[in-house]
Amino acid sequence: AQSVTQLGSHVSVSEGALVLLRCNYSSSVPPYLFWYVQYPNQGLQLLLKYTTGATLVKGINGFEAEFKKSETSFHLTKPSAHMSDAAEYFCAVTQGSSASKIIFGSGTRLSIRP
Amino acid sequence: EAGVAQSPRYKIIEKRQSVAFWCNPISGHATLYWYQQILGQGPKLLIQFQNNGVVDDSQLPKDRFSAERLKGVDSTLKIQPAKLEDSAVYLCASSFQQKANYGYTFGSGTRLTVV
Repeated sequence: AQSVTQLGSHVSVSEGALVLLRCNYSSSVPPYLFWYVQYPNQGLQLLLKYTTGATLVKGINGFEAEFKKSETSFHLTKPSAHMSDAAEYFCAVTQGSSASKIIFGSGTRLSIRP
Repeated sequence: EAGVAQSPRYKIIEKRQSVAFWCNPISGHATLYWYQQILGQGPKLLIQFQNNGVVDDSQLPKDRFSAERLKGVDSTLKIQPAKLEDSAVYLCASSFQQKANYGYTFGSGTRLTVV
């Protein structure tokens, strides 16, 4: 069965510093991978996704992620953090060969220090 | 395009009462999902609809939860009777096709507090 593990429930970085949020997955079939962001009292917003093709994918707000099959990882990065990046981030993977469902990791709360 | 609409935004009920949530997906989206997000956890899928048919309800606690999607558009999720552990945000999402390669569009959710 597919699963998603997010390392670190809380990450704190200084404004302007590199953001790195870690995600590892397990899947018996080639997965589709996603990162979602959730701001307080809001729903989830799609940041970026990997389906096929180029393994480095770029998303909104300057975020990007790299699919590394050998490491079963899909870490999220941003070169320079902004205060507005403070939010909860969820890594997600499709489930099964039909890829009709998405399962989510437990989330990482990103805090930005002034 | 208009997003996924959910109502109410907030609901507080006493245990053993009943409650219903409503979702209106993006126009033309055939697939609709209800997720439960308990505080501090990732969303967990409760039920998936394709048009007005249920595709997967294996994680839905059917002794107290029910959901329907009449006419393949709007959907309602009901809890009867509610328990304290049902306190969570209930998220509705929709997608154009059953395959999830484009991801889902989520609504803002309904925050349920059971006291």
